[in-house]
Amino acid sequence: EVQLVESGGGLIQPGGSLRLSCAVSGFTVSSNYMSWVRQAPGKGLEWVSVIYRAGSTYYADPVQGRFTISRDDSKNTLYLQMNSLRVEDTAVYYCARWIQSTLEPWGQGTLVTVSS
Amino acid sequence: DIVMTQSPDSLAVSLGERATINCKSSQSVLYSSNDKNYLAWYQQRPGQPPKLLIYGASTRESGVPDRFSGSGSGTDFTLTISSLQAEDVAVYYCQQYYTTPALTFGGGTKVEIK
Repeated sequence: EVQLVESGGGLIQPGGSLRLSCAVSGFTVSSNYMSWVRQAPGKGLEWVSVIYRAGSTYYADPVQGRFTISRDDSKNTLYLQMNSLRVEDTAVYYCARWIQSTLEPWGQGTLVTVSS
Repeated sequence: DIVMTQSPDSLAVSLGERATINCKSSQSVLYSSNDKNYLAWYQQRPGQPPKLLIYGASTRESGVPDRFSGSGSGTDFTLTISSLQAEDVAVYYCQQYYTTPALTFGGGTKVEIK
């Protein structure tokens, strides 16, 4: 069964750092493109980042230079390191498999709240 | 950036009736070299993550009921639910992937039962 389980969210002060994890079962992370998408409370979806099979990474402009996507092939896990967090980064963060630039399946998400 | 605009923001439809959701892109998402529209639709039920319904503007993802259909080309697209069921209550999003890897989503359309 394919499953993606995010963890690592929580309450963090502005300027702080957090690392999100996405543990994957049912397929191999290293053989796929993987992505992060976020959803602010009550708002729509916003693409955040993608990592290609070969390791190339891309980011949305609002997070460029602050967030880093990576993976650990031995743990079949995707990560999102988030630094210099801002109030506007508050959202549920989803990981998803990227297939020809569409996203499926998605995890259940982890909530990140940036507040003082 | 390509901006995706959905309409309406919400709609209420009786069970068994048709629901129509529109999505307009600020520039064409039709890739001329292969004549494919780089447009997908997602369903997000309450408290759930999104689920891919349609890609290529009109191709249903495996397992998606045939009451869901997508149409359109270039800049104007439509998602139609031919006969609304209770389990279709959700927010629906369009997404363009013409500018991949930079993806953009529409603002969402909430579908409720009248």
